[in-house]
Amino acid sequence: GAVVSQHPSWVICKSGTSVKIECRSLDFQATTMFWYRQFPKQSLMLMATSNEGSKATYEQGVEKDKFLINHASLTLSTLTVTSAHPEDSSFYICSARDDGTSGISGRTYNEQFFGPGTRLTVL
Amino acid sequence: DAKTTQPTSMDCAEGRAANLPCNHSTISGNEYVYWYRQIHSQGPQYIIHGLKNNETNEMASLIITEDRKSSTLILPHATLRDTAVYYCIVQIYNFNKFYFGSGTKLNVKP
Repeated sequence: GAVVSQHPSWVICKSGTSVKIECRSLDFQATTMFWYRQFPKQSLMLMATSNEGSKATYEQGVEKDKFLINHASLTLSTLTVTSAHPEDSSFYICSARDDGTSGISGRTYNEQFFGPGTRLTVL
Repeated sequence: DAKTTQPTSMDCAEGRAANLPCNHSTISGNEYVYWYRQIHSQGPQYIIHGLKNNETNEMASLIITEDRKSSTLILPHATLRDTAVYYCIVQIYNFNKFYFGSGTKLNVKP
């Protein structure tokens, strides 16, 4: 299957600081990526849809000014948690949708692949 | 919002088949059933998806009822490494905006 990476895999920061998380599609192009958040013992919650070349669309209840998303290229989306607080501590997971332009045989067009996640701890 | 209901947890003996049910009674005609699983502290892993016909791949089989209101994921010979949370999601193909429900925690025991 396709590979989606996230960096960093874990991060600890002080309250009030900003943290940037990267999501990269390594062997395919992704016009669309998604960001999820998962609290302990809970399911994944969709936060926003990241679109290359345009603004991200946020799910209801997600603060767009707090969770800044930049889809800088067809293989990279970043999520910046601004002025992080302890309640932002969570597991952040991205996914990327294959545009189907990679030319890799056997790849299903528009298939979605998830990254390994980033564990954020805000002290 | 998630449109599926799954049991909270299930146990399965190693080597036996694991049958995970999912109810999706409000599924629309153009919505597919997707199954993903999440091993602790990792990103979700794709398992299988289908529209109305039963599907099989190297990982699992997907059985969808004729009225499409429910489905069952079958892991034919469960191993300890199959212990994970299994999510059933319904979504329009190519839409990819997944709303995860609570999933089923499958415990495979020796």
